[in-house]
Amino acid sequence: ETGVTQSPTHLIKTRGQQVTLRCSSQSGHNTVSWYQQALGQGPQFIFQYYREEENGRGNFPPRFSGLQFPNYSSELNVNALELDDSALYLCASSSRTSGGPEYFGPGTRLLVL
Amino acid sequence: AQSVTQLGSHVSVSEGALVLLRCNYSSSVPPYLFWYVQYPNQGLQLLLKYTTGATLVKGINGFEAEFKKSETSFHLTKPSAHMSDAAEYFCAVSLYNQGGKLIFGQGTELSVKP
Repeated sequence: ETGVTQSPTHLIKTRGQQVTLRCSSQSGHNTVSWYQQALGQGPQFIFQYYREEENGRGNFPPRFSGLQFPNYSSELNVNALELDDSALYLCASSSRTSGGPEYFGPGTRLLVL
Repeated sequence: AQSVTQLGSHVSVSEGALVLLRCNYSSSVPPYLFWYVQYPNQGLQLLLKYTTGATLVKGINGFEAEFKKSETSFHLTKPSAHMSDAAEYFCAVSLYNQGGKLIFGQGTELSVKP
């Protein structure tokens, strides 16, 4: 059992709305990263947080933003939703020295209508 | 720029046959390499990873992969396929100096025939 949980599991929004996705990381892991996985594609890196600071960002616009809290849980916020934002959003946690995420959550599937 | 190419979007094998999923990467620095598996409607599970040291890496569920620097490859193998191996497999590369950002391949769907 990975210990990474995400909520909600599914979400339906309309274009222009805002959404907040949540992630609780594996105990002891201080690094959390977020990925977007469109249907039939590999995951794409959105950004990573380490000790509550953004520590790397992929090719996503500023309307994608995040937070990491002192307990290492995290939020992904997306403003002004577009149809192309429909995807599975994955949260992953790791230790600083692992070189990459070890544990992924089950994801939140977002549908934008 | 770093990239990952998985050869074959779909691979089909018979139960008990060898599984070979191909992955090639491009990187200007020594990479960290990963294989993940994704079952339908689930997140990703780490199968194995290469960071440094021994180039033949053993993972869970009988899978292993070999890092070949000269070929820039990290192919995933399993000697004998099981029906439960049917899933989507992703190869990914991480650069140690980029804080763990992963670049994924497009994925290979593995089907296992009885």
